[in-house]
Amino acid sequence: GAGVSQSPSNKVTEKGKDVELRCDPISGHTALYWYRQSLGQGLEFLIYFQGNSAPDKSGLPSDRFSAERTGGSVSTLTIQRTQQEDSAVYLCASRRTELNEKLFFGSGTQLSVL
Amino acid sequence: DQQVKQNSPSLSVQEGRISILNCDYTNSMFDYFLWYKKYPAEGPTFLISISSIKDKNEDGRFTVFLNKSAKHLSLHIVPSQPGDSAVYFCAAFRRYGGATNKLIFGTGTLLAVQP
Repeated sequence: GAGVSQSPSNKVTEKGKDVELRCDPISGHTALYWYRQSLGQGLEFLIYFQGNSAPDKSGLPSDRFSAERTGGSVSTLTIQRTQQEDSAVYLCASRRTELNEKLFFGSGTQLSVL
Repeated sequence: DQQVKQNSPSLSVQEGRISILNCDYTNSMFDYFLWYKKYPAEGPTFLISISSIKDKNEDGRFTVFLNKSAKHLSLHIVPSQPGDSAVYFCAAFRRYGGATNKLIFGTGTLLAVQP
């Protein structure tokens, strides 16, 4: 597609349930990032995929969070046993190469944990 | 450990005047800096960038200044327009050096341009 696509755009879930958020990066982009923005906060780095290299998971807040990127394209962020503090906008971004400075962001998934 | 800081959460400016948004960073290994703009319910969009080998980069109404010794950069918008009202994020990364080059963002500054 022309841009980074994220689904769903909104997700409401109950505390304790698992959720999966999907990101479809721009075709041909080798680098993919997940960020989240909690209410009134900045963009918090979560995880970074670059080609076939091991992902940088240093931003994942707990072991309830995991992400994978299949075939170097689509990525799924999974949050297990969701907590209310997980409520945030989850943003995915891609860039053409690891040296290219511009990130292209999707519109995000608004996650609300009740 | 906030490596990129935007100390002003909000800024209000009159239409036609200059908007100056500030950003400080702590990691001297950063060699590339960017500004992103974000409207509500949308993802951030790239605005302008600067390499550490430069001290100024200009694109139309937008100019970014970099002061490496002070680890400070600023975004100037002149003249400011109501459509510029958005949250502006400063970001930095280490483009070269072998380490993972994740983009680190500041907390953002909400700019309101009053007509």
